[in-house]
Amino acid sequence: GAVVSQHPSWVICKSGTSVKIECRSLDFQATTMFWYRQFPKQSLMLMATSNEGSKATYEQGVEKDKFLINHASLTLSTLTVTSAHPEDSSFYICSARDLLEAFQETQYFGPGTRLLVL
Amino acid sequence: AQTVTQSQPEMSVQEAETVTLSCTYDTSESDYYLFWYKQPPSRQMILVIRQEAYKQQNATENRFSVNFQKAAKSFSLKISDSQLGDAAMYFCAYRRTRSGGGADGLTFGKGTHLIIQP
Repeated sequence: GAVVSQHPSWVICKSGTSVKIECRSLDFQATTMFWYRQFPKQSLMLMATSNEGSKATYEQGVEKDKFLINHASLTLSTLTVTSAHPEDSSFYICSARDLLEAFQETQYFGPGTRLLVL
Repeated sequence: AQTVTQSQPEMSVQEAETVTLSCTYDTSESDYYLFWYKQPPSRQMILVIRQEAYKQQNATENRFSVNFQKAAKSFSLKISDSQLGDAAMYFCAYRRTRSGGGADGLTFGKGTHLIIQP
C-alpha cells in the first residue's frame, strides 16, 4: 500500500525558533498533499493544501506567514513553523493523494509529528 | 461550509459483539465522499472504509460496513465481531467532489473513542 513518511516524528524547540517538518510519499507521486493539525484529544483540522509547483492554499484562520509550505517535488512537501510559540505546540499530520489514483480519492496519512515549543 | 457531527464521544462494546458508530453531516453538495478513519494510540490514521455519495449500495470491508442514508445525511459505521485491536478513536470524514479534478482536504468529526471490553 501507499506509504507516507514524516520527519521528524517529534521535535522540541525553544520559543522564537523555526521548525521544519517534512512529508514524503515513499512509493507514489503526489501532486497534492494536505497538512492537518490535531490538538490533544481533539479532531484533525485542515490547515492547508500543498500543491506541487504552486502556492499552497490555506484554510481560513491559518496564518500563511506563520506556517510556510513548500511542495518542491512530487514526493516532498515541507511545513515550516516560523517563530514558534508555545501555542503552536500540537500534532501535525500530513496526507497525500496518489497522482495515479485520482478517481480512488483516498488520502494516505503520515504518522504525524509532535511539536513541543518551550 | 460542510460540517461533520459525531454525537458519541465514547462507546464501549464487548469483544465479539457488534457496535454502531454514528455520524451525520451537513452539505449542499450532491456529490461527495465519506470516510471512516481509525486512529489507534500510535496516532497513525488508518482508512477503514469509504463511500461515494452517488453509490446507493452501502460499502463493506470485511467486518466493517456502513449505513449510508443520503437524504438524512447520515453515515454510520457498523463493526461486527468486535476485536481488541479495534479499540481506537474513530473519525468520520467528508470530502466534496470537485468537477474538473483537483482535490480538497477532509473535514473531520470530533471522533468517537471505541473501547473493547474483553
